[in-house]
Amino acid sequence: DSGVTQTPKHLITATGQRVTLRCSPRSGDLSVYWYQQSLDQGLQFLIQYYNGEERAKGNILERFSAQQFPDLHSELNLSSLELGDSALYFCASSATSGGPKSYEQYFGPGTRLTVT
Amino acid sequence: DAKTTQPPSMDCAEGRAANLPCNHSTISGNEYVYWYRQIHSQGPQYIIHGLKNNETNEMASLIITEDRKSSTLILPHATLRDTAVYYCIVPNDYKLSFGAGTTVTVRA
Repeated sequence: DSGVTQTPKHLITATGQRVTLRCSPRSGDLSVYWYQQSLDQGLQFLIQYYNGEERAKGNILERFSAQQFPDLHSELNLSSLELGDSALYFCASSATSGGPKSYEQYFGPGTRLTVT
Repeated sequence: DAKTTQPPSMDCAEGRAANLPCNHSTISGNEYVYWYRQIHSQGPQYIIHGLKNNETNEMASLIITEDRKSSTLILPHATLRDTAVYYCIVPNDYKLSFGAGTTVTVRA
């Protein structure tokens, strides 16, 4: 158990819909990262937040957005869903942003999104 | 990120040491090497990281060559539960970039 929690575990929705994925980081961790893992793209970094502020962006679509709240939990919002958005979405956390410790990330169990 | 090269797959006998190689010939002087693994569809798991000295923790040992162009992750006594994809990563720019990794199969 990494200490990172994600809800829901599974999500099935239709094309065009909007969903919200939730992540709670390990106790004391200030950075939250979102990753997408699909069969054809592998594990890809989407976005990072540190103490409520966006720090880095990866291959995140404009239809996707995220935020980190004052209690440090984070939400990833996916809108206008397409079949290709079906994937595993992982959240990770680390104690810091930048420096070697920031790459020591602890991943949650993931949310499996199926778009039909 | 500095590019890393890993063999696509390897087998290991249960109870034996598993030695997983990684080449990172373009690594720069202040970049660390990190290892993660992912057991089928679970979240990736941090294993170990190092800069230039050998490192050991309760999961594994990391041996980095003197020129830092390659490293080896050692699982000292592989078990069936160590079957996973292992990723060698040299990160920067705030993110981890996962390549294809090495699929390690531990056989009884």
